[in-house]
Formats: sequence, C-alpha cells, structure tokens
Amino acid sequence: EVVMTQSPATLSVSPGERATLSCRANQSVGTNLVWYQQKPGQAPKLLIYRASTRAPGIPARFSGSGSGTEFTLTISSLQSEDFAVYYCQQYDDWPPYTFGQGTKLEIK
Amino acid sequence: EVQLVEAGGGLKHPGGSLRLSCAASGFTFSSNAMNWVRQAPGKGLEWLSYISSSSNTIYYADSVKGRFTISRDNAENSLYLQMDSLKVEDSAVYYCARGVRWFDRWGQGTLVTVST
Repeated sequence: EVVMTQSPATLSVSPGERATLSCRANQSVGTNLVWYQQKPGQAPKLLIYRASTRAPGIPARFSGSGSGTEFTLTISSLQSEDFAVYYCQQYDDWPPYTFGQGTKLEIK
Repeated sequence: EVQLVEAGGGLKHPGGSLRLSCAASGFTFSSNAMNWVRQAPGKGLEWLSYISSSSNTIYYADSVKGRFTISRDNAENSLYLQMDSLKVEDSAVYYCARGVRWFDRWGQGTLVTVST
C-alpha cells in the first residue's frame, strides 16, 4: 500500500499571501496524484488531478506540481474561501486508493 | 446538474447491519464507476470500495473486506453499500464518489454511528 504523508499538519497564512502544501509518497506514483479541498461540514472537492491539471471551474491561483514521490499544492494569493483542509490522494497503485492525512490551512 | 445523495445512515450496535444508498442524477450513471469513501469524526479520508460501471470489477479496502458489499442498480441510478458485522471503528460519514483514479463528484455524506 502506498503511504501518503502531508506536511505541515496545519499551515497559518495571511489572506493575500502564498500557501505551499506538501505531499510525499513512500514510493513513486509518477504523476498519478490528486488534490482535494474540504470545508467544514462539506464533502471534498476535486481541485487538481494528474498532479498539475486543474479540475473544471478551479481558479488559476491553485496549482499543482511534482512527480515521483514529492508533490506540492500552491495557492498563489489566498482568498477567504480557501481556508480549508486539503488532501492528496494517489491512484498509481490501487486498490487501495490512499489519501494523505490532510493539511489544515488556517487564517493567520 | 450532477447530484449524489446518500441515505441510510444511523445508529447501530456493534455486530449490526446497515445498508447505505446513493441516488445519482444529472449524468449517465451506468457509464460511470463509483466508490464509497468514509471519514471518521475529525479524521481524514479512507477509500472503502470501488465498483465498475457494469459491476464487473469490485474492490475493497482490507478494513472492510468480507464485511461490506458494494453493489449498484443502473436501472435505478443507485449505488449501495451493505455493511455487516459493524464495529465501533466503522463510525464515520460515508460518501459516495464518482470516478476511476480520481473522484470528481461526491455526495454530501451520511453519518453512521456504531455504539453500545
């Protein structure tokens, strides 16, 4: 099973600033990686697939990068609606699909 | 508009059974693979099960293999999760989610609580 590890667990950033979230796999997953956003009381929402492709309707301030075992989600200029929990998920070696434990992005 | 609506959650004792359903609308359900994903209170996401569009391929996470059964009825645009031999650690919000490789639509979730 591929183990996904996200860091940091909590990230405090001011609105308008850049946020950088990390996700690491314990073996190469190529670019078979997804990012989701989850707000309190809501279902997860697909942000990025294939490591760097934005899902339809996702603003350009969200970008994904990386390959192999190291991945990054960058939010270029944080808006109030971006404060949420973010999860990465691999689909290179499944079943099972595996998620990271999440990074909570909070207002500084 | 794509919609996935889960139902069937509730309070059960350990060892009990529950059947969750997910009603799909706004897309061609019969052409899409589906999944169940759960989230324990305050915890992260855990994929549980996958079913292909025609039900030919089914996978389970080890944590539920032998206890949970995924199924679908394409004529009724519905996905199901039969949950048997429930454990306290099965307490979570259960989501149905569309897709292979990534999940592009999710339902709002249904809460399952297993407690003595």
